[in-house]
Amino acid sequence: QSALTQPASVSGSPGQSITISCTGTSSDVGRYNLVSWYQQHPGKAPKVMISEVSKRPSGVSSRFSGSKSGNTASLTIFGLQAEDEADYYCCSYAYNSYVFGTGTKVTVL
Amino acid sequence: EVQLVESGGGLVKPGGSLRLSCEASGLAFSKAWMSWVRQAPGRGLEWVGRIWSNSDGGTTDYAAPVNGRFTISRDDSKDILYLQMTSLKSEDTAVYYCTTTSAIGWLPSFDYWGHGTLVTVSS
Repeated sequence: QSALTQPASVSGSPGQSITISCTGTSSDVGRYNLVSWYQQHPGKAPKVMISEVSKRPSGVSSRFSGSKSGNTASLTIFGLQAEDEADYYCCSYAYNSYVFGTGTKVTVL
Repeated sequence: EVQLVESGGGLVKPGGSLRLSCEASGLAFSKAWMSWVRQAPGRGLEWVGRIWSNSDGGTTDYAAPVNGRFTISRDDSKDILYLQMTSLKSEDTAVYYCTTTSAIGWLPSFDYWGHGTLVTVSS
């Protein structure tokens, strides 16, 4: 199972919106509505930001939004804030296994 | 509050074995589907494997790179998840995270994570 493809880096100024893409195949992202997104700050454990494509867990800011179209899922961060600077990973179920994305470093300019 | 605490990491020689443990609290462990995810130094996240709850069959699934070398098990009487690793290779060097979901009966996402335990495979 190959890793899902994410851009290596995305940047934006405070207040702006950014979108991170996550491209898989018809065997993972395209087949199941089981895409999740994780935020990871340096030296910390990942934190779930979005589950099942677009569900936002309790406690996660409404500035985070997930969607999917075909084999590509997306995470949009609205109103970018300094604390959003981190690494972000997508993940998809893929028939008795899970595959993570390559990871995207978000920089707040 | 759900807490997952991993232990058992350390330095091991290539070809050696190691057993990781994950003590869980704050959740109905016997009903929880559990998973291990690892992260090599400076690299991304990689799913290792999962175990269903025993009431759902206790099935285990593994990622291809560890299949046949790693074994996930659970002790519901102690609320502990295990990862037995054998025939270790240098590419198994990583921080190993114990994870689980808030869902019951399946594993749609990794909602709770431990702090991780570092495994270093080197001669």
